[in-house]
Amino acid sequence: GAVVSQHPSWVICKSGTSVKIECRSLDFQATTMFWYRQFPKQSLMLMATSNEGSKATYEQGVEKDKFLINHASLTLSTLTVTSAHPEDSSFYICSGGGYNEQFFGPGTRLTVL
Amino acid sequence: DAKTTQPPSMDCAEGRAANLPCNHSTISGNEYVYWYRQIHSQGPQYIIHGLKNNETNEMASLIITEDRKSSTLILPHATLRDTAVYYCIVRVAGGATNKLIFGTGTLLAVQP
Repeated sequence: GAVVSQHPSWVICKSGTSVKIECRSLDFQATTMFWYRQFPKQSLMLMATSNEGSKATYEQGVEKDKFLINHASLTLSTLTVTSAHPEDSSFYICSGGGYNEQFFGPGTRLTVL
Repeated sequence: DAKTTQPPSMDCAEGRAANLPCNHSTISGNEYVYWYRQIHSQGPQYIIHGLKNNETNEMASLIITEDRKSSTLILPHATLRDTAVYYCIVRVAGGATNKLIFGTGTLLAVQP
């Protein structure tokens, strides 16, 4: 299957700082990518749909000013967690792909101290 | 998209078939059944999908009941590496988005 990478795989930051997570499709072009968040022992929660060349679409309850998404090219989407706080500590996962199959990145574990 | 119901956990002996059930009683005629799995601390992995016919690939088989209100994912010879959370998702085909809404899934523990 196709490959999606994420960088970094883990990050620790201080409260109040911003963190950028990159999601890349390595062998396909993705006009749409998705960002998920997963807390320990919980399921994946869809945060937003990242659209190449246009604004992201956020799910209900997700703060668009806190989770900034940029999809500047067909192979790269970025999620920036602004002014991160300990409650933002989570596993962030992106996906992209075709109609019948979504390919997921390996995830980024964010810990905010 | 319709909701699905799965048992929270199941055990299976290594080498035996693992049968994971999923109820989707409110599924619409144009909704497909998808299965993904997530091994601990990794991104989910696509397994298989189907509309109404049974499907088989190198990973698993998908059996969908005739009324489409439930389905079963079958791993024919489970190994320890199949220990994961398995998600059953129903999704509209031809929709404006490919987004997946994950439920709680079934934690399959394959025992040696």
